[in-house]
Amino acid sequence: SQTIHQWPATLVQPVGSPLSLECTVEGTSNPNLYWYRQAAGRGLQLLFYSVGIGQISSEVPQNLSASRPQDRQFILSSKKLLLSDSGFYLCAWNQDQAMRTEAFFGQGTRLTVV
Amino acid sequence: QKEVEQNSGPLSVPEGAIASLNCTYSDRGSQSFFWYRQYSGKSPELIMSIYSNGDKEDGRFTAQLNKASQYVSLLIRDSQPSDSATYLCAVNYNNDMRFGAGTRLTVKP
Repeated sequence: SQTIHQWPATLVQPVGSPLSLECTVEGTSNPNLYWYRQAAGRGLQLLFYSVGIGQISSEVPQNLSASRPQDRQFILSSKKLLLSDSGFYLCAWNQDQAMRTEAFFGQGTRLTVV
Repeated sequence: QKEVEQNSGPLSVPEGAIASLNCTYSDRGSQSFFWYRQYSGKSPELIMSIYSNGDKEDGRFTAQLNKASQYVSLLIRDSQPSDSATYLCAVNYNNDMRFGAGTRLTVKP
C-alpha cells in the first residue's frame, strides 16, 4: 500500500532563517505531488505541484521554492523565512488511475516563524 | 483563476439530524470532485469522491454533483458528535487540485 511521509511534524524558526521540509511517498511510482499551506482557521492554499522529476508548477509567487530531485521526493524550501510563512504545511500525492485522482495527505508540518 | 467556494458556516446541527454542505467551483473543465474531513490540528482525510453528475451514496454520506450548475454538495445523515470537524471541498482539473476554505460543522449531542 502507498504511504506518504512528511517531516518534521513541528518546527519553530526565526525570521530570516532557511527552511527545508521534506516529503516522500512509498509504494507507488510517478505520483503527482503537491505542497499546500493552511493558515490558522483557513483553507488550503496550493503552493506547488509536480507531475514528474524536475517539473514544478508554482501557484503563488513568494519566497518559497520547491524541488523534486527524485520520483517520490518533494522538498519545500526557503532561503529567508518571513513571519507570514507561519502555517500548517501539507504534502499530498495522487495519481491518474482509471480517472480516480483523489489526493492523500501527509501528517503535516506546523511551522511557526518567530 | 480557479476558485472553489464553500458556504461560510459554521454549521451546527443536533445529533441525528441531516447536515448539508455546499460547494461551487469556477472552472467548467473540472473533472473530479472530493470531500475531505479535517479534525483540528490534523491533515485532511478523504470522505467521498464523485466524478459524474448525480448522487453517490456511501453509508451516511451522500455526495451530489451538478456540472451544469458547477455545484457539489455533501449530505451527512444521522449526524454524530464524531462528525464534528471542518469539511473541505476539492476540485481537480488536470492534476491541479484546489480546495475551498472549508465549512466547520458542529454536531451537538
